Amino acid sequence: SAVISQKPSRDICQRGTSLTIQCQVDSQVTMMFWYRQQPGQSLTLIATANQGSEATYESGFVIDKFPISRPNLTFSTLTVSNMSPEDSSIYLCSARLGAGGSYEQYFGPGTRLTVT
Amino acid sequence: KQEVTQIPAALSVPEGENLVLNCSFTDSAIYNLQWFRQDPGKGLTSLLLIQSSQREQTSGRLNASLDKSSGRSTLYIAASQPGDSATYLCAVRGGGSGGSNYKLTFGKGTLLTVNP
Repeated sequence: SAVISQKPSRDICQRGTSLTIQCQVDSQVTMMFWYRQQPGQSLTLIATANQGSEATYESGFVIDKFPISRPNLTFSTLTVSNMSPEDSSIYLCSARLGAGGSYEQYFGPGTRLTVT
Repeated sequence: KQEVTQIPAALSVPEGENLVLNCSFTDSAIYNLQWFRQDPGKGLTSLLLIQSSQREQTSGRLNASLDKSSGRSTLYIAASQPGDSATYLCAVRGGGSGGSNYKLTFGKGTLLTVNP
């Protein structure tokens, strides 16, 4: 299993500013993921972050708005840029462990972002 | 495109009851399926992982089944307790056009309330 921590746990930010969320995993992982969970909704994948390569973004998400860093096998950051109230969500970091059909995914506690 | 549906959206039961949560998915070409628990405003806790070759997994009072050919999974909770109150999310890995073994597709969840 894996233990994942995120910082900050919550923040209230002003429109037009940016916030960087940090994610730390207690073991080395190849693939990390960033999800968004809007109020009352399920999880939506923003991007996949592999160490040593550019992040892969899902449809509807772009690097200019959500730049991601992955400097090593245990750490990643997600920046929410030029925020608007529509960005108010829980942002979740995730990591995949295992191999083949037994890949299991673990999640951090989330960062609750409110944009005013 | 893989789609995951969970029924019911919400369920309220008295303490001690056995209950079943349902999950269905449109493309049976999955690698595995995970059940998660999410407490309000928190991250996800992995409950059970079922590989595509397996039919069920058990952990304590929880039992998850998988019928891959019909695109269905159930999560059975025995002798429910107030501490089981949470949102339960089903997620499948793979399936859909261009499905890969690293993407999880989530259902919208079942909100379970166990009344003392």
